Amino acid sequence: KAGVTQTPRYLIKTRGQQVTLSCSPISGHRSVSWYQQTPGQGLQFLFEYFSETQRNKGNFPGRFSGRQFSNSRSEMNVSTLELGDSALYLCASSPGLKPYNEQFFGPGTRLTVL
Amino acid sequence: GQQLNQSPQSMFIQEGEDVSMNCTSSSIFNTWLWYKQEPGEGPVLLIALYKAGELTSNGRLTAQFGITRKDSFLNISASIPSDVGIYFCAGAHDNFGNEKLTFGTGTRLTIIP
Repeated sequence: KAGVTQTPRYLIKTRGQQVTLSCSPISGHRSVSWYQQTPGQGLQFLFEYFSETQRNKGNFPGRFSGRQFSNSRSEMNVSTLELGDSALYLCASSPGLKPYNEQFFGPGTRLTVL
Repeated sequence: GQQLNQSPQSMFIQEGEDVSMNCTSSSIFNTWLWYKQEPGEGPVLLIALYKAGELTSNGRLTAQFGITRKDSFLNISASIPSDVGIYFCAGAHDNFGNEKLTFGTGTRLTIIP
């Protein structure tokens, strides 16, 4: 069974640009969560989608948005990039409505903003 | 954003030694999780705890859900080189994957040859 896939793995952008990251969950999983990981703030929850609906949202500005498609694949978008957006962006997939031991993280997308 | 207080921040130990780390929160959680993250990878779940007072083992790893529901502990016995990595605790307010995870600040484990 294939794991969680995130593309691209590495990305370099400049300030002011926008970026779209993709997450393909494990087959059959309907929930996708996104986290930002930085050395200073650690792992911070961005948002979670379940069956194409945003179910939970973290405390990030509106520049951070996401969506989920009918095949459960999810994308997150960051507009007007700032230097502080440089981070590892992780997604986690789960069947939904299941204990946390059925949630798995992808390898992440490393975003560098110059 | 909120983070759980995890200690120690880093550990330098010799192979074969036991390791202990803990995580504390100012609020109650109903699920405690322990993850390990290696360079270039996402966190991998080691142990999940769903009940106050619960003690759960996974091989050489043992974790406990504090009875106050505001803390958790992870022990690694007889450490080996592949234990190197960053260990994170995480808490959730429910048991069924419906809530966001709040993560600890991490404990970086280094094994001295």
